[in-house]
Amino acid sequence: DAGITQSPRYKITETGRQVTLMCHQTWSHSYMFWYRQDLGHGLRLIYYSAAADITDKGEVPDGYVVSRSKTENFPLTLESATRSQTSVYFCASSDGRGSGKNIQYFGAGTRLSVL
Amino acid sequence: QQQVKQSPQSLIVQKGGISIINCAYENTAFDYFPWYQQFPGKGPALLIAIRPDVSEKKEGRFTISFNKSAKQFSLHIMDSQPGDSATYFCAASIRGGTSYGKLTFGQGTILTVHP
Repeated sequence: DAGITQSPRYKITETGRQVTLMCHQTWSHSYMFWYRQDLGHGLRLIYYSAAADITDKGEVPDGYVVSRSKTENFPLTLESATRSQTSVYFCASSDGRGSGKNIQYFGAGTRLSVL
Repeated sequence: QQQVKQSPQSLIVQKGGISIINCAYENTAFDYFPWYQQFPGKGPALLIAIRPDVSEKKEGRFTISFNKSAKQFSLHIMDSQPGDSATYFCAASIRGGTSYGKLTFGQGTILTVHP
């Protein structure tokens, strides 16, 4: 399927476990982003990437790790999950060129519960 | 640090009425102001956007009003319909340089349109 897909859609884990959320896009967009959505905070940027092997921290990076070995994939790993990381996580991508530079296309999200 | 403040948190409007959502920003380097619409269980999607060289942009029933001197912008939804019931996010970004089109989001407004 074309577009941006996230997996899993729902995940329940326990405190201290490692969790990886997957994001895959088929547009060959250069830029990819990870956000978390919490009530009262809107969407906050965790990490972003301008291209394969280029990543940088966003507003709330602590406790998260990303990698981008291929343009189409941008996994987000919680190294040791904490209850405060219970949230809805969104991946987004952007063409990064011309008038489309600032348009971000979002996946459907992953709802993560840390018990 | 919340660089984009959005109000109200929730809004209830009758069908046919006007919905107004306001945002204020702090960073004068912002030069792109989009609004995203999010339906339950879905990721946000771009609704309409404006650049600071214009004071108003209209697309169908949706209008952005922009006041550069006050560092404020707002979304007006005319003839609001039940299908407009969603969460709306304002955002801001810097188009140039190394910003990669990173978006800073407001806290979100849950709009309910009663039939």
